[in-house]
Amino acid sequence: NAGVTQTPKFQVLKTGQSMTLQCAQDMNHEYMSWYRQDPGMGLRLIHYSVGAGITDQGEVPNGYNVSRSTTEDFPLRLLSAAPSQTSVYFCASRKHEKLFFGSGTQLSVL
Amino acid sequence: DAKTTQPNSMESNEEEPVHLPCNHSTISGTDYIHWYRQLPSQGPEYVIHGLTSNVNNRMASLAIAEDRKSSTLILHRATLRDAAVYYCIRVPYGQNFVFGPGTRLSVLP
Repeated sequence: NAGVTQTPKFQVLKTGQSMTLQCAQDMNHEYMSWYRQDPGMGLRLIHYSVGAGITDQGEVPNGYNVSRSTTEDFPLRLLSAAPSQTSVYFCASRKHEKLFFGSGTQLSVL
Repeated sequence: DAKTTQPNSMESNEEEPVHLPCNHSTISGTDYIHWYRQLPSQGPEYVIHGLTSNVNNRMASLAIAEDRKSSTLILHRATLRDAAVYYCIRVPYGQNFVFGPGTRLSVLP
């Protein structure tokens, strides 16, 4: 199993641009989530999904959209990037009370 | 506001045991105690979790106080590869994980 795969690993955007961060898992986990991590801070939950067709907001959802059309994929969309969204983004799936994280996407918004 | 508290940083010598403390003073009966660690430039990884009893696995041991208001993650012999940020997380059953800033562990050769 590849586990949780995130693409791209690095991305630079200009303010106002849009993009989608991809997340895929091959473990057939129903629960998936997106976190952001800023320097010196813990991870903050952006959005999560408990199954295909179901999404919900986390602690910091503003400026981000998600959808869950399949069990495997959970993309995170930035519709109009802002410098405040410069961060490292982690996708995670969950099974039996354990989280499984991807390796992250480092995003810079200029 | 229920929260966990951990020291910002700790140091250990290589091949010595490390005890990482965590306080979770407002824990309720169905809240699990989880520990994750984050190596440099990687996503967090699961270390161990428990409810009431002490737990052991190949990575570490988790000691939970009788009143459950504190716990200790024990690395039996620290290696340089154990240098990471360690997160203690109180998780109500079925709820989302809320990560604090964790404890940055440095391991000295």
